[in-house]
Amino acid sequence: GAGVSQSPRYKVAKRGQDVALRCDPISGHVSLFWYQQALGQGPEFLTYFQNEAQLDKSGLPSDRFFAERPEGSVSTLKIQRTQQEDSAVYLCASSALAVSSYEQYFGPGTRLTVT
Amino acid sequence: AQSVTQLDSQVPVFEEAPVELRCNYSSSVSVYLFWYVQYPNQGLQLLLKYLSGSTLVKGINGFEAEFNKSQTSFHLRKPSVHISDTAEYFCAVSPYSSASKIIFGSGTRLSIRP
Repeated sequence: GAGVSQSPRYKVAKRGQDVALRCDPISGHVSLFWYQQALGQGPEFLTYFQNEAQLDKSGLPSDRFFAERPEGSVSTLKIQRTQQEDSAVYLCASSALAVSSYEQYFGPGTRLTVT
Repeated sequence: AQSVTQLDSQVPVFEEAPVELRCNYSSSVSVYLFWYVQYPNQGLQLLLKYLSGSTLVKGINGFEAEFNKSQTSFHLRKPSVHISDTAEYFCAVSPYSSASKIIFGSGTRLSIRP
């Protein structure tokens, strides 16, 4: 079966541009997570959805970051007015149940470079 | 709040030698513990996890980890490494709760020398 997919895999944006990153979770997975991984660092939590409800957005670094999952499946992470410090790999993960002991399956990530 | 410390950013090891990757964590609540592996140009993959019970956990590819509550450690070990084990390894914790976030360490790059 298909795993978590993300698109685009690579994105170059000029400072000030808006970008949209897409995540297709494993079919039927209830939970969806976004993480930001800076170069040489571990992933850092951004936000979490349970179905279409965004239950935790405590990791979003600023109000330029916005995420949605309107139908409880595909999710989009949008970054407005990109800055150089936004350059990172953005990882999406999904989990079958809303229980933290269940494995999160990660996508390959979108590498965002802001010039 | 939770935090994870991986003491070694890089660990070079000769092929077929044993390896231990160290991990310590801090948390005011009970947590689940994980090790993830990230092969070059690939996504994160779960190696093993500790939820409860036996403190020695066996994972994929011959890796195992031991949970030590008193030392708040969860070190990863393999008795004999192969070239294919070259990757970045992340220790992580997740608080007991409904679908909580994972808190990752900064990673340890394991490089295997022939």
